[in-house]
Amino acid sequence: NAGVTQTPKFQVLKTGQSMTLQCAQDMNHEYMSWYRQDPGMGLRLIHYSVGAGITDQGEVPNGYNVSRSTTEDFPLRLLSAAPSQTSVYFCASSPDRNIQYFGAGTRLSVL
Amino acid sequence: GQSLEQPSEVTAVEGAIVQINCTYQTSGFYGLSWYQQHDGGAPTFLSYNALDGLEETGRFSSFLSRSDSYGYLLLQELQMKDSASYFCALRGAAAGNKLTFGGGTRVLVKP
Repeated sequence: NAGVTQTPKFQVLKTGQSMTLQCAQDMNHEYMSWYRQDPGMGLRLIHYSVGAGITDQGEVPNGYNVSRSTTEDFPLRLLSAAPSQTSVYFCASSPDRNIQYFGAGTRLSVL
Repeated sequence: GQSLEQPSEVTAVEGAIVQINCTYQTSGFYGLSWYQQHDGGAPTFLSYNALDGLEETGRFSSFLSRSDSYGYLLLQELQMKDSASYFCALRGAAAGNKLTFGGGTRVLVKP
């Protein structure tokens, strides 16, 4: 059972480039979310989804887009990367929103 | 919105007991959860309190008091492997039931 799988694990971008962080879960969870974690800080919610076709903004959505075409996949798109988006990104899924299962994370550097 | 406060760091010796406090402000919530995160790793779920009182899971226990807007995580019989960051998180009752994390408490266990 793979759980939540994130790719890539590491990524370096130049300012202005775009990219997609992939997230897939095999637990048939309806609820999925994206967080960013800056050094020494807690996790901040970027976007979340309560099911296929339904997404909403979290605490820090600017500069990011999401879509949810299937239950399994929830990609996060950086539209035009900025140095302020250098962070560790975690995807999570949940059966009931009370317990979150996190992926291993994507470490992103924007130069 | 919601906000949670935790101490930034706690140091203790092996075998000791550590209590990590979490105070919060919210207009309504479903429950308080706790996550552990080792350096370079992903957060992993530890405990969840929907109701007031104590929840025990092995060496870890979590407590919630809604009247005091306060909760804590108790780590007993500390082991070196418990050195990690611990986050409290609140699942809000407002639209979206978003999860908000505290800033985290770094626990350092010394021999």
